[in-house]
Amino acid sequence: EAAVTQSPRNKVAVTGGKVTLSCNQTNNHNNMYWYRQDTGHGLRLIHYSYGAGSTEKGDIPDGYKASRPSQENFSLILELATPSQTSVYFCASGGSGTGGDNYAEQFFGPGTRLTVL
Amino acid sequence: GEKVEQHESTLSVREGDSAVINCTYTDTASSYFPWYKQEAGKSLHFVIDIRSNVDRKQSQRLTVLLDKKAKRFSLHITATQPEDSAIYFCAASWDMGYKLTFGTGTSLLVDP
Repeated sequence: EAAVTQSPRNKVAVTGGKVTLSCNQTNNHNNMYWYRQDTGHGLRLIHYSYGAGSTEKGDIPDGYKASRPSQENFSLILELATPSQTSVYFCASGGSGTGGDNYAEQFFGPGTRLTVL
Repeated sequence: GEKVEQHESTLSVREGDSAVINCTYTDTASSYFPWYKQEAGKSLHFVIDIRSNVDRKQSQRLTVLLDKKAKRFSLHITATQPEDSAIYFCAASWDMGYKLTFGTGTSLLVDP
């Protein structure tokens, strides 16, 4: 069973502060993703990675950085948090060739609820 | 870039009836179309997908139809059960799943 964990699960931050969201996967998947979920927008891709040391910009990268120091770990960094970044953030691993018959399946973590005051 | 529109924001059916959720996409290069389910307060998980080399795929009570000419795909759920109640997201990819563009989600409520 795929396992993706996220920490923290809930976070309250102040405007202008730095926030780091962490994601760990034990599936040995090359690809990892960060999404945010907002009502009316569905899931939107922020950053993704093809493997350790690589990060790529997704559809809404502004205000976010990402770091992939190892196969297992993928972090999302908000250097200067703003209230507009209040959201639920999901990390996922997989995509393309990783899910057996469902070869492109992505496996999602439990999510992090971030509130920026 | 790709845009995926999910037409029904909410859908309510009676238990045992069928439910249909429709999505359209813009990029003719898209070739992979998965569906994900999110139960209340939980994360997303994969339910079914379809690739552009076929126009229909069935898995138990779920069927996905793909109309490439109309750039439209749909999820059909037969004999709905209360546990089918969830938000369903469609998605599209031009690179066979490396990068997904999601729709805005359809909240399906199955009344017992």
